[in-house]
Amino acid sequence: GEDVEQSLFLSVREGDSSVINCTYTDSSSTYLYWYKQEPGAGLQLLTYIFSNMDMKQDQRLTVLLNKKDKHLSLRIADTQTGDSAIYFCAESIDSNYQLIWGAGTKLIIKP
Amino acid sequence: KAGVTQTPRYLIKTRGQQVTLSCSPISGHRSVSWYQQTPGQGLQFLFEYFSETQRNKGNFPGRFSGRQFSNSRSEMNVSTLELGDSALYLCASSRPGGSYGYTFGSGTRLTVV
Repeated sequence: GEDVEQSLFLSVREGDSSVINCTYTDSSSTYLYWYKQEPGAGLQLLTYIFSNMDMKQDQRLTVLLNKKDKHLSLRIADTQTGDSAIYFCAESIDSNYQLIWGAGTKLIIKP
Repeated sequence: KAGVTQTPRYLIKTRGQQVTLSCSPISGHRSVSWYQQTPGQGLQFLFEYFSETQRNKGNFPGRFSGRQFSNSRSEMNVSTLELGDSALYLCASSRPGGSYGYTFGSGTRLTVV
């Protein structure tokens, strides 16, 4: 069945790079997404990648997709305190019209 | 361009009551989907609508229902509320196929007492 897995926590020092990892099982994914959720807020779309791409860069964010290993990562360069949040990985499968979500990774920034 | 608007932001209901939540999508987006978020279960898919038709439904009991109007606005209804229905209900709109991503509203926080 469909499943998306993420580590629950990641702790990094301010100014370092953060790398959040995600694995998925369904090879028929169309798009893969990264969302950010701050306390008490909804989900903010950070970036997404089409399944036939292997990399996408957007300012401080770099997404890497290894389709063979079904592995997705989000790298945040120069991590700031404002990056503290929960980061969700999600995949969409066109025929199902839904997103399958990971449990979310809480990013903790150490001063 | 206005984002996805969900109303109300907060609701407190008692067990056995019913509730209706509303979602107005981004102008031009005809797909609206609903998700339930709880600390224990994470994000769970409820249903998706496109052009007033439900195209997919998640694994929720029949007490959860929804609809979409001709202007793409959507409502979801939960009848005979249970304590376990307490959650953040999130609505998302998108272009067909999810290209350019799904844009979420701020959610409706439902508390059942």
